[in-house]
Amino acid sequence: RKEVEQDPGPFNVPEGATVAFNCTYSNSASQSFFWYRQDCRKEPKLLMSVYSSGNEDGRFTAQLNRASQYISLLIRDSKLSDSATYLCVVTFDTGFQKLVFGTGTRLLVSP
Amino acid sequence: GAVVSQHPSRVICKSGTSVKIECRSLDFQATTMFWYRQFPKQSLMLMATSNEGSKATYEQGVEKDKFLINHASLTLSTLTVTSAHPEDSSFYICSAQTGGRQPQHFGDGTRLSIL
Repeated sequence: RKEVEQDPGPFNVPEGATVAFNCTYSNSASQSFFWYRQDCRKEPKLLMSVYSSGNEDGRFTAQLNRASQYISLLIRDSKLSDSATYLCVVTFDTGFQKLVFGTGTRLLVSP
Repeated sequence: GAVVSQHPSRVICKSGTSVKIECRSLDFQATTMFWYRQFPKQSLMLMATSNEGSKATYEQGVEKDKFLINHASLTLSTLTVTSAHPEDSSFYICSAQTGGRQPQHFGDGTRLSIL
């Protein structure tokens, strides 16, 4: 079983749509959780951290359910520029040391 | 701020060649640098963690004699793929961190193709 699992997609949505991605992790000792964005053939970039209480950054909302070992990312009012692969990332420590990446969920936003 | 530069961005070379990839933190001092590898349609996998002035810590299954890592200064780490073969073709990305609780900042990656 993979340590971090994601639906690879692609998710094809029109501009303005709301889309949600899910991620599950296998290690209950996981401490920190993040969503990264990776454009084709580029480096991953931190989108947002994920907190147990849930957190929002503009059009992006992240949720964590430790009991179910489940993380989600909600994107509202999708833009063409949101097209990318979204990586769910977990660490086993309280910092940013060893990052464990999911394979990513690909999002395609069309006009 | 927090820019990490990786060089070269693309390498194509013959089987048996050794290839060196550089990772530099341009505007901060990186106590720790990380090297990742990403095969097509797969996730980024951590290869090794290096701290300035000490030996790198390799992940299970990564051959330390094949992937030589040097972290001689707080702004430079190098990864040398020795005697590269076609199965080593991949996207190699480094990241740098100023301290244990700080985010990792990623370089823009090196696409290595071994013919």
